[in-house]
Amino acid sequence: EDKVVQSPLSLVVHEGDTVTLNCSYEVTNFRSLLWYKQEKKAPTFLFMLTSSGIEKKSGRLSSILDKKELFSILNITATQTGDSAVYLCAVEGVWGNKLVFGAGTILRVKS
Amino acid sequence: DTAVSQTPKYLVTQMGNDKSIKCEQNLGHDTMYWYKQDSKKFLKIMFSYNNKELIINETVPNRFSPKSPDKAHLNLHINSLELGDSAVYFCASSLSLAQETQYFGPGTRLLVL
Repeated sequence: EDKVVQSPLSLVVHEGDTVTLNCSYEVTNFRSLLWYKQEKKAPTFLFMLTSSGIEKKSGRLSSILDKKELFSILNITATQTGDSAVYLCAVEGVWGNKLVFGAGTILRVKS
Repeated sequence: DTAVSQTPKYLVTQMGNDKSIKCEQNLGHDTMYWYKQDSKKFLKIMFSYNNKELIINETVPNRFSPKSPDKAHLNLHINSLELGDSAVYFCASSLSLAQETQYFGPGTRLLVL
């Protein structure tokens, strides 16, 4: 069965800190890995990764995928209180665009 | 100009009732989904439809019946509601069944008493 494991489950940091969130996966016929940020409501899309070793960046956020070791990391530098959210990792396996989500990492950034 | 919208946002009902949640997307996407997020925040796919055709049905009880009248709408009807159905239900859409980002609606919080 396809599985996604995220760590840590929760994290409390101070503004300005850098955080690294981890996502490991087991999936049949891997197609892509996605990161989402969920605040109070719907998950909002951050990154989609399909190739190993290519870093994707968006402002202070970046992510990279290792298809050999089956994991991805999401980095956030110079954290701000607005980064406080649940960060979800999801993988897409078999055809049909089915996403399997991890449990998420709860990030709280204190001012 | 909301991309993926759901109604209602909140739904409180008694066990045994039948209820529907509606989802509409104005993105011109072909593929739509329903996810359930339980109290532990796990998001699990329930159904996906592509151009009104059922693609994924993730062993959801048959009390749940999705209906797609056209590719911009995917409604979820739930019969004989049970306490365990209490959750947040998210609708999502993507351009196609290919490797595409999914965009989520705001969620419908369902509470069954």
